[in-house]
Amino acid sequence: KAGVTQTPRYLIKTRGQQVTLSCSPISGHRSVSWYQQTPGQGLQFLFEYFSETQRNKGNFPGRFSGRQFSNSRSEMNVSTLELGDSALYLCASSFEGHQNTEAFFGQGTRLTVV
Amino acid sequence: GEDVEQSLFLSVREGDSSVINCTYTDSSSTYLYWYKQEPGAGLQLLTYIFSNMDMKQDQRLTVLLNKKDKHLSLRIADTQTGDSAIYFCAESKSSASKIIFGSGTRLSIRP
Repeated sequence: KAGVTQTPRYLIKTRGQQVTLSCSPISGHRSVSWYQQTPGQGLQFLFEYFSETQRNKGNFPGRFSGRQFSNSRSEMNVSTLELGDSALYLCASSFEGHQNTEAFFGQGTRLTVV
Repeated sequence: GEDVEQSLFLSVREGDSSVINCTYTDSSSTYLYWYKQEPGAGLQLLTYIFSNMDMKQDQRLTVLLNKKDKHLSLRIADTQTGDSAIYFCAESKSSASKIIFGSGTRLSIRP
């Protein structure tokens, strides 16, 4: 069974640009969550999607958005990139989201903003 | 609010036990987790405990939960060089989504 796949693994963008990251969950998983990991702020929850709907949201500005497709694949988009957006972005999938205890994480996409 | 705190570094001798401690503030946390992150890798769930449990043992791993003090610990018996990693304590209220993580404890092993 394939794990959570995130593409691309590495990305370099310029300030002001936008970026789209992709996450393919484990087959059969309908919940996809996104996290940002930085040395200064640690791991922070961005948002969660379940059945194409955003179910939970963290405390990030509106420049961070996401969506989920009918096959449960998810994308997150960051517009008007800032240097501080440089981070490892991790995606996690879980079977149902509710009454479930294990989230499986992908390898992450390392975004560098220059 | 939601906050999880843990010390940043721990150094132990190979073969000894490692104990990583964590405190959390949200008394409504239902699930408490320990994740491991190796360099360049994502997060691997090591073990978890429900808030109505005091202890959970899984091979070399023992998790202790003191709900009154909101204190969680992870004990790794017979620590090996392969255990070198960052260990994250985390909590969530009701599901595997919206997990709140601590800052991570970097475990290093001395020969």
